[in-house]
Amino acid sequence: EAGVTQFPSHSVIEKGQTVTLRCDPISGHDNLYWYRRVMGKEIKFLLHFVKESKQDESGMPNNRFLAERTGGTYSTLKVQPAELEDSGVYFCASSQVSRGDTQYFGPGTRLTVL
Amino acid sequence: AQSVAQPEDQVNVAEGNPLTVKCTYSVSGNPYLFWYVQYPNRGLQFLLKYITGDNLVKGSYGFEAEFNKSQTSFHLKKPSALVSDSALYFCAVRDGRVDTGRRALTFGSGTRLQVQP
Repeated sequence: EAGVTQFPSHSVIEKGQTVTLRCDPISGHDNLYWYRRVMGKEIKFLLHFVKESKQDESGMPNNRFLAERTGGTYSTLKVQPAELEDSGVYFCASSQVSRGDTQYFGPGTRLTVL
Repeated sequence: AQSVAQPEDQVNVAEGNPLTVKCTYSVSGNPYLFWYVQYPNRGLQFLLKYITGDNLVKGSYGFEAEFNKSQTSFHLKKPSALVSDSALYFCAVRDGRVDTGRRALTFGSGTRLQVQP
């Protein structure tokens, strides 16, 4: 079974530009989560999808961040416009309640905003 | 609100010795507790979890953790450390109440484990 995949692995952009991160969950997992670790601090929750619906977006920092999960499969997280403080590692995770609801994480996307 | 504390930024242990990585938590409902490990240039890998039942939970790579409700702790342990166990370890908690609908994990700041040969 393939794990959670994320693309790109690393992105370097200028302040004010737009970046789109992609996450492909484990096949069959209805729950998809985004987290980020900024400046080596704690890993913070951003939002949670159940299929294509946003179940919990309490962790989204501001309206520069837009997450979508059209069709309930892969998800994208767009940052527009990017700011310096957005630099960090963005993790995606997926889970399935019927399989114990453990969240399995992808390798992360390292975002650097210059 | 929920929170996790990992009081040690780094733990050093000699290969073959037992290791403990500490974690304490705070959560309103029933705690669901997790340990993840991050090797260099890799993502978070699930090690083990406590949901209910036996307080001693066994996980991957010979790791185990003990849930202690009175001390609100969930320390990670291994009887004999390997050099290959050197990595960054994260403890996480979520509220186990079904009616909240929230499944977000709250993570600790991480503990770097260094096992010396």
